[in-house]
Amino acid sequence: AQSVTQLGSHVSVSEGALVLLRCNYSSSVPPYLFWYVQYPNQGLQLLLKYTTGATLVKGINGFEAEFKKSETSFHLTKPSAHMSDAAEYFCAVSEGTGGFKTIFGAGTRLFVKA
Amino acid sequence: NAGVTQTPKFRVLKTGQSMTLLCAQDMNHEYMYWYRQDPGMGLRLIHYSVGEGTTAKGEVPDGYNVSRLKKQNFLLGLESAAPSQTSVYFCASSYPGQGVSRETQYFGPGTRLLVL
Repeated sequence: AQSVTQLGSHVSVSEGALVLLRCNYSSSVPPYLFWYVQYPNQGLQLLLKYTTGATLVKGINGFEAEFKKSETSFHLTKPSAHMSDAAEYFCAVSEGTGGFKTIFGAGTRLFVKA
Repeated sequence: NAGVTQTPKFRVLKTGQSMTLLCAQDMNHEYMYWYRQDPGMGLRLIHYSVGEGTTAKGEVPDGYNVSRLKKQNFLLGLESAAPSQTSVYFCASSYPGQGVSRETQYFGPGTRLLVL
């Protein structure tokens, strides 16, 4: 069975600092992996996704994530945080059998301090 | 394109009342989903549909019903609301294609429901 664990329900960084949001997954088959972002009072938007091939995936707004099979991780990073990055971030895993099998993590709320 | 829209944005119900949440998408997606979002629990799938006229249960279907009479619309019904159904409800849709396109979901803005 699939599962997703996001380490840390809240992460706080200073503006300009590195952002690191952690995601570990379990899957019985090579997974599809996603990061979604949710701004206040809005729905989720796709940030980036991993399917196959290059393990470093670049997304929107300067975010990227690296798929590490040996560590079953898909951590999200951004070199320099901006105030506008303050949001909740969800990691998700799917085994490719249809979106109805997607499992979402509990979410990590990112706070950015001026 | 409007993408995925949800109606209403906010609703207050009394215990035992019924209501219907409407989701509409203009992207010609085959797959549609209803989720609920509760603090610390991420998103949990309530029901989903893989095409017009078909629906199936997700992880937390009890107390909800759905209908997909038209491809672009997916309705979520609460027949007798309970305080435990206080939540934020999100609708999403995705392509029926192969691979990751089928897995990538497009979300509506959400409906906040308070059941007293």
